[in-house]
Amino acid sequence: GENVEQHPSTLSVQEGDSAVIKCTYSDSASNYFPWYKQELGKRPQLIIDIRSNVGEKKDQRIAVTLNKTAKHFSLHITETQPEDSAVYFCAASTLTGNQFYFGTGTSLTVIP
Amino acid sequence: DAGVIQSPRHEVTEMGQEVTLRCKPISGHDYLFWYRQTMMRGLELLIYFNNNVPIDDSGMPEDRFSAKMPNASFSTLKIQPSEPRDSAVYFCASSLLRATTEAFFGQGTRLTVV
Repeated sequence: GENVEQHPSTLSVQEGDSAVIKCTYSDSASNYFPWYKQELGKRPQLIIDIRSNVGEKKDQRIAVTLNKTAKHFSLHITETQPEDSAVYFCAASTLTGNQFYFGTGTSLTVIP
Repeated sequence: DAGVIQSPRHEVTEMGQEVTLRCKPISGHDYLFWYRQTMMRGLELLIYFNNNVPIDDSGMPEDRFSAKMPNASFSTLKIQPSEPRDSAVYFCASSLLRATTEAFFGQGTRLTVV
């Protein structure tokens, strides 16, 4: 099955700086890559996703890049704010698969 | 739609007792997933259903765990007997189609087994 690895496990940045979280996957058939944000004590919620026919996707301060050849994808948050502090999970799934394979999460702390 | 609804939000039980967690998926969603979240192991998929049918339960840790989905609007995850190592947050999630669309998570049930 798919194996998703996520790094780093913890990340601290100063407010206004950028944050980058990286994930790798093992199954070349994976073609959908969502990112979830989980605030303390709350449910994971989708913040952005990318499909394999796209190399990059942006939504305001958040962007995701995908390198299918290298089998890795990354989340980029620019101009970080304290409210960006949360745990971020990457995931991968295939068109024919029926489940998401999650990374182990990155705890992001934005220092005011 | 109110989203995925789980109950209870918190459960504290004694070792050996039966625990039942409940989930109501978003209406119209064909897929329902049960996850367990711990600090050590992150989000683990326990089981998922497609159109009320269990498809993959390979993530269920032991025979003490069982899950059912008697209809499209209700699912249960049961632990019998419970053990302290079962303490975790259990999430239910549903998605419209296959796992290439957004999975919507419930608020989770925080289970503590003492």
